[in-house]
Amino acid sequence: QKEVEQNSGPLSVPEGAIASLNCTYSDRVSQSFFWYRQYSGKSPELIMSIYSNGDKEDGRFTAQLNKASQYVSLLIRDSQPSDSATYLCAVNYPGGYQKVTFGTGTKLQVIP
Amino acid sequence: KAGVTQTPRYLIKTRGQQVTLSCSPISGHRSVSWYQQTPGQGLQFLFEYFSETQRNKGNFPGRFSGRQFSNSRSEMNVSTLELGDSALYLCASATSGGHQETQYFGPGTRLLVL
Repeated sequence: QKEVEQNSGPLSVPEGAIASLNCTYSDRVSQSFFWYRQYSGKSPELIMSIYSNGDKEDGRFTAQLNKASQYVSLLIRDSQPSDSATYLCAVNYPGGYQKVTFGTGTKLQVIP
Repeated sequence: KAGVTQTPRYLIKTRGQQVTLSCSPISGHRSVSWYQQTPGQGLQFLFEYFSETQRNKGNFPGRFSGRQFSNSRSEMNVSTLELGDSALYLCASATSGGHQETQYFGPGTRLLVL
């Protein structure tokens, strides 16, 4: 059983719309959550990190975390064609060390 | 500050051979993690090194090994290559590897096993 689940997509949204990307995780002890963006042929780059329940906003991006439901999401407002990429949800565990588990990613297509 | 660098960027090997990949972290970063990315399995954690010690290991066979040097540079080795080892191998560095720290990824080494 995969530990981090994402819908593979593609998720298609028109330019200017809100894109909603979802991720569920299975291990309740997970404490750190990350969203990475990966363009085709490139390496992942961090967009947002979130550690506490609730919302965290950074520009057009909002990460939402609900630990009770083991659910984390990423909202992209005013989507742009340049946002077209694969979005990876990642989860890390307490203990002080890096042992990050990634979902397989959701491919987002923003249609001009 | 220079980013994470990986060499070589592309590699073609045949089954049964071995390969060594290199990763130089961002200056001052002491934690280096390695990942394998394939279309079917996504990004999978291989291992993480800090101060020349392996602190965490993923679920990969013993053919996959790594090490870290005193300057934090890291290498990973894959022995007895199999076709299924064809993948993009990414390394990522972090300051000390705390679970809330951001990892910064290198450009990756694309390995093709024939």
